[in-house]
Amino acid sequence: GQSLEQPSEVTAVEGAIVQINCTYQTSGFYGLSWYQQHDGGAPTFLSYNALDGLEETGRFSSFLSRSDSYGYLLLQELQMKDSASYFCAVGLTDSWGKFQFGAGTQVVVTP
Amino acid sequence: DAGVIQSPRHEVTEMGQEVTLRCKPISGHNSLFWYRQTMMRGLELLIYFNNNVPIDDSGMPEDRFSAKMPNASFSTLKIQPSEPRDSAVYFCASSLSREAFFGQGTRLTVV
Repeated sequence: GQSLEQPSEVTAVEGAIVQINCTYQTSGFYGLSWYQQHDGGAPTFLSYNALDGLEETGRFSSFLSRSDSYGYLLLQELQMKDSASYFCAVGLTDSWGKFQFGAGTQVVVTP
Repeated sequence: DAGVIQSPRHEVTEMGQEVTLRCKPISGHNSLFWYRQTMMRGLELLIYFNNNVPIDDSGMPEDRFSAKMPNASFSTLKIQPSEPRDSAVYFCASSLSREAFFGQGTRLTVV
């Protein structure tokens, strides 16, 4: 079967750094994506890692280690608007078709 | 582009009734996905199409669920007959590559 594990909730103060880990066991692997979802909203794409290493996009960075079946999303200089759920998702096919989503991590940013 | 457009945004129906959810993907995107989101099961991929052809419907929970994509600009997800356990937010998403764009979802309540 497929499984993705990520923490259910993380709380941090404004300006802090938060790391959300994601470990996966899937029958196929063609990349790891991260999505953000605010309450009542739609998931929005943040990043994608196909190869090992760090990808940086502004305040957000994503890391992948395929040998460890592990990745993380790093949120820096946290802002109140970063309070949301963050999902890791594994691409199971090479045609960007089938993604298996984790259960999501609720990030709560406090003043 | 207006993004992925779903209708209706909210649907309340009685058990046993037929429900049809609609989706207009982003023009030019060749992949379309239907997801269901609940607190218990998270984001589940129900079915995805590539170039209007259903590629994988293994996530469709039962024969009561069916999806069609008659052309590149329209897709439907039908539930007949609906049951209370079908209550969820149903998202449609489209993509051309690694980034999936989600619609705002249809919140379905079956009473």
